[in-house]
Amino acid sequence: AQSVTQLGSHVSVSEGALVLLRCNYSSSVPPYLFWYVQYPNQGLQLLLKYTTGATLVKGINGFEAEFKKSETSFHLTKPSAHMSDAAEYFCAVGLSGANSKLTFGKGITLSVRP
Amino acid sequence: KAGVTQTPRYLIKTRGQQVTLSCSPISGHRSVSWYQQTPGQGLQFLFEYFSETQRNKGNFPGRFSGRQFSNSRSEMNVSTLELGDSALYLCASSLDGVSYGYTFGSGTRLTVV
Repeated sequence: AQSVTQLGSHVSVSEGALVLLRCNYSSSVPPYLFWYVQYPNQGLQLLLKYTTGATLVKGINGFEAEFKKSETSFHLTKPSAHMSDAAEYFCAVGLSGANSKLTFGKGITLSVRP
Repeated sequence: KAGVTQTPRYLIKTRGQQVTLSCSPISGHRSVSWYQQTPGQGLQFLFEYFSETQRNKGNFPGRFSGRQFSNSRSEMNVSTLELGDSALYLCASSLDGVSYGYTFGSGTRLTVV
Protein backbone atom coordinates (compact mmCIF):
# COMPACT_ATOMS: atom_id res chain seq x y z
CA ALA A 1 0.00 0.00 0.00
CA GLN A 2 1.06 3.55 -0.60
CA SER A 3 0.58 6.65 1.50
CA VAL A 4 1.60 10.29 1.52
CA THR A 5 2.11 12.54 4.51
CA GLN A 6 2.07 16.28 4.17
CA LEU A 7 2.76 17.76 7.59
CA GLY A 8 0.70 20.77 8.49
CA SER A 9 -2.25 22.12 6.56
CA HIS A 10 -1.14 25.70 6.09
CA VAL A 11 2.13 27.47 5.34
CA SER A 12 2.53 31.23 5.22
CA VAL A 13 5.54 33.00 3.74
CA SER A 14 6.43 36.54 2.78
CA GLU A 15 6.73 37.50 -0.85
CA GLY A 16 10.29 36.83 -1.94
CA ALA A 17 10.93 34.26 0.78
CA LEU A 18 11.82 30.61 0.32
CA VAL A 19 8.92 28.22 -0.11
CA LEU A 20 9.36 24.74 1.39
CA LEU A 21 6.47 22.27 1.35
CA ARG A 22 7.20 18.89 2.85
CA CYS A 23 6.11 15.51 1.57
CA ASN A 24 6.97 12.05 2.86
CA TYR A 25 5.75 8.89 1.17
CA SER A 26 5.45 5.22 1.81
CA SER A 27 5.62 2.74 -1.03
CA SER A 28 6.49 -0.92 -1.30
CA VAL A 29 8.02 -0.45 -4.74
CA PRO A 30 10.01 2.39 -6.34
CA PRO A 31 7.44 5.14 -6.60
CA TYR A 32 6.38 7.70 -9.09
CA LEU A 33 6.02 11.02 -7.28
CA PHE A 34 4.12 14.15 -8.22
CA TRP A 35 3.35 17.64 -7.01
CA TYR A 36 0.11 19.27 -8.12
CA VAL A 37 -1.24 22.76 -7.47
CA GLN A 38 -4.90 23.69 -7.22
CA TYR A 39 -6.27 27.21 -7.46
CA PRO A 40 -9.78 27.96 -6.16
CA ASN A 41 -12.57 26.40 -8.21
CA GLN A 42 -10.13 24.74 -10.56
CA GLY A 43 -8.72 21.29 -11.19
CA LEU A 44 -5.20 20.10 -10.45
CA GLN A 45 -2.24 21.38 -12.41
CA LEU A 46 0.93 19.30 -12.58
CA LEU A 47 3.96 21.14 -11.19
CA LEU A 48 6.52 18.38 -11.57
CA LYS A 49 6.99 14.63 -11.46
CA TYR A 50 9.67 12.12 -10.56
CA THR A 51 9.74 8.87 -12.46
CA THR A 52 13.32 7.63 -12.71
CA GLY A 53 16.74 9.16 -13.18
CA ALA A 54 17.82 12.52 -11.80
CA THR A 55 16.68 13.01 -8.25
CA LEU A 56 16.39 16.79 -8.52
CA VAL A 57 13.33 17.55 -10.59
CA LYS A 58 12.58 20.97 -12.00
CA GLY A 59 9.02 21.98 -12.68
CA ILE A 60 6.98 24.89 -13.85
CA ASN A 61 6.85 28.36 -12.28
CA GLY A 62 10.29 28.00 -10.67
CA PHE A 63 9.41 25.04 -8.45
CA GLU A 64 11.67 22.06 -7.92
CA ALA A 65 11.69 18.96 -5.75
CA GLU A 66 14.33 16.49 -4.67
CA PHE A 67 13.68 12.77 -4.37
CA LYS A 68 15.49 11.35 -1.35
CA LYS A 69 15.02 7.62 -1.14
CA SER A 70 16.79 7.26 2.21
CA GLU A 71 14.44 9.77 3.78
CA THR A 72 11.38 8.73 1.71
CA SER A 73 10.86 12.41 1.01
CA PHE A 74 9.97 14.55 -1.97
CA HIS A 75 9.91 18.13 -0.65
CA LEU A 76 8.85 20.99 -2.91
CA THR A 77 10.84 24.24 -2.95
CA LYS A 78 10.88 27.60 -4.67
CA PRO A 79 13.61 30.15 -3.94
CA SER A 80 11.38 33.22 -4.03
CA ALA A 81 7.64 33.23 -3.45
CA HIS A 82 5.28 35.30 -5.59
CA MET A 83 1.78 36.38 -4.66
CA SER A 84 0.50 34.22 -7.51
CA ASP A 85 1.86 31.10 -5.76
CA ALA A 86 -0.92 31.26 -3.18
CA ALA A 87 -2.86 28.03 -3.71
CA GLU A 88 -3.26 24.50 -2.38
CA TYR A 89 -0.47 22.04 -3.10
CA PHE A 90 -0.81 18.28 -3.22
CA CYS A 91 1.89 15.64 -3.17
CA ALA A 92 0.98 12.29 -4.72
CA VAL A 93 2.55 8.86 -5.09
CA GLY A 94 1.66 6.53 -7.92
CA LEU A 95 1.85 2.92 -8.95
CA SER A 96 1.82 1.85 -12.55
CA GLY A 97 0.33 -1.11 -14.34
CA ALA A 98 -2.78 -2.90 -13.21
CA ASN A 99 -2.91 -0.89 -9.99
CA SER A 100 -2.42 2.41 -11.73
CA LYS A 101 -3.64 5.23 -9.52
CA LEU A 102 -2.47 8.24 -7.56
CA THR A 103 -2.62 8.42 -3.79
CA PHE A 104 -2.69 12.02 -2.60
CA GLY A 105 -1.68 13.72 0.60
CA LYS A 106 -4.15 15.95 2.43
CA GLY A 107 -2.75 19.06 0.78
CA ILE A 108 -1.09 22.22 2.07
CA THR A 109 -2.48 25.71 1.64
CA LEU A 110 0.23 28.21 0.83
CA SER A 111 -0.39 31.85 1.69
CA VAL A 112 1.95 34.59 0.49
CA ARG A 113 2.12 37.83 2.49
CA PRO A 114 2.97 41.06 0.68
CA LYS B 1 -3.82 20.80 -27.88
CA ALA B 2 -7.10 20.73 -26.02
CA GLY B 3 -7.03 19.74 -22.38
CA VAL B 4 -9.32 17.48 -20.41
CA THR B 5 -12.92 18.61 -20.66
CA GLN B 6 -15.47 17.84 -17.99
CA THR B 7 -19.16 18.57 -18.28
CA PRO B 8 -21.14 19.95 -16.68
CA ARG B 9 -19.11 22.25 -14.41
CA TYR B 10 -21.85 22.48 -11.80
CA LEU B 11 -24.77 20.26 -10.87
CA ILE B 12 -27.43 20.37 -8.19
CA LYS B 13 -29.33 17.16 -7.56
CA THR B 14 -31.81 15.90 -4.99
CA ARG B 15 -31.19 12.96 -2.68
CA GLY B 16 -32.20 9.69 -4.30
CA GLN B 17 -31.64 10.89 -7.86
CA GLN B 18 -28.91 9.68 -10.14
CA VAL B 19 -26.33 11.69 -12.04
CA THR B 20 -24.00 11.18 -14.97
CA LEU B 21 -20.78 13.14 -15.38
CA SER B 22 -18.79 13.29 -18.58
CA CYS B 23 -15.08 13.52 -19.33
CA SER B 24 -13.32 13.98 -22.66
CA PRO B 25 -9.61 13.19 -22.35
CA ILE B 26 -6.73 14.67 -24.28
CA SER B 27 -6.63 13.31 -27.81
CA GLY B 28 -4.61 10.11 -27.94
CA HIS B 29 -4.83 9.41 -24.23
CA ARG B 30 -6.18 5.95 -23.45
CA SER B 31 -6.33 6.14 -19.65
CA VAL B 32 -9.05 8.03 -17.81
CA SER B 33 -9.28 8.15 -14.03
CA TRP B 34 -11.86 9.65 -11.71
CA TYR B 35 -11.27 11.19 -8.29
CA GLN B 36 -13.60 12.58 -5.64
CA GLN B 37 -12.46 15.62 -3.68
CA THR B 38 -14.14 16.64 -0.43
CA PRO B 39 -12.95 18.88 2.42
CA GLY B 40 -13.08 16.01 4.89
CA GLN B 41 -11.63 13.11 2.90
CA GLY B 42 -9.45 14.97 0.44
CA LEU B 43 -8.73 13.42 -2.96
CA GLN B 44 -9.84 9.83 -3.27
CA PHE B 45 -9.47 7.51 -6.25
CA LEU B 46 -12.69 6.18 -7.73
CA PHE B 47 -11.62 4.13 -10.75
CA GLU B 48 -9.46 4.04 -13.85
CA TYR B 49 -10.40 2.99 -17.35
CA PHE B 50 -7.91 2.00 -20.00
CA SER B 51 -8.96 1.15 -23.55
CA GLU B 52 -12.61 0.71 -22.46
CA THR B 53 -11.77 -1.65 -19.58
CA GLN B 54 -11.83 -0.83 -15.89
CA ARG B 55 -8.25 -1.39 -14.80
CA ASN B 56 -8.44 -0.36 -11.17
CA LYS B 57 -11.13 0.54 -8.66
CA GLY B 58 -11.10 2.41 -5.37
CA ASN B 59 -13.09 1.76 -2.21
CA PHE B 60 -16.41 3.27 -3.13
CA PRO B 61 -19.85 1.64 -2.97
CA GLY B 62 -21.41 0.09 -6.03
CA ARG B 63 -23.56 3.20 -6.52
CA PHE B 64 -20.51 4.69 -8.20
CA SER B 65 -19.88 3.30 -11.66
CA GLY B 66 -18.23 4.34 -14.85
CA ARG B 67 -17.49 3.41 -18.39
CA GLN B 68 -15.23 4.36 -21.25
CA PHE B 69 -16.16 4.54 -24.89
CA SER B 70 -14.11 3.58 -27.93
CA ASN B 71 -13.08 7.24 -28.42
CA SER B 72 -11.72 7.23 -24.82
CA ARG B 73 -14.44 9.55 -23.55
CA SER B 74 -15.61 8.45 -20.13
CA GLU B 75 -18.72 8.81 -18.05
CA MET B 76 -19.21 8.39 -14.34
CA ASN B 77 -22.60 7.57 -12.86
CA VAL B 78 -23.76 7.86 -9.28
CA SER B 79 -27.11 6.32 -8.44
CA THR B 80 -29.31 6.95 -5.39
CA LEU B 81 -27.49 10.12 -4.45
CA GLU B 82 -26.73 10.84 -0.81
CA LEU B 83 -25.87 14.16 0.81
CA GLY B 84 -22.33 12.89 1.35
CA ASP B 85 -21.83 12.56 -2.38
CA SER B 86 -21.55 16.33 -2.63
CA ALA B 87 -18.02 16.87 -3.90
CA LEU B 88 -15.78 18.03 -6.70
CA TYR B 89 -15.36 15.16 -9.14
CA LEU B 90 -12.14 15.30 -11.10
CA CYS B 91 -11.27 13.43 -14.24
CA ALA B 92 -7.66 12.80 -15.23
CA SER B 93 -6.30 11.54 -18.50
CA SER B 94 -2.98 9.95 -19.34
CA LEU B 95 -1.33 8.42 -22.35
CA ASP B 96 -0.82 5.15 -20.55
CA GLY B 97 -1.13 5.57 -16.77
CA VAL B 98 0.91 6.75 -13.84
CA SER B 99 4.34 6.61 -15.47
CA TYR B 100 3.27 9.24 -18.01
CA GLY B 101 1.59 11.45 -15.43
CA TYR B 102 -1.99 12.65 -15.41
CA THR B 103 -3.61 15.82 -16.71
CA PHE B 104 -6.67 16.84 -14.76
CA GLY B 105 -9.83 18.54 -15.88
CA SER B 106 -11.45 21.45 -14.06
CA GLY B 107 -13.93 19.15 -12.39
CA THR B 108 -17.66 18.90 -11.90
CA ARG B 109 -19.00 20.38 -8.68
CA LEU B 110 -21.90 18.19 -7.54
CA THR B 111 -24.20 19.42 -4.81
CA VAL B 112 -26.80 17.03 -3.40
CA VAL B 113 -29.67 18.66 -1.53
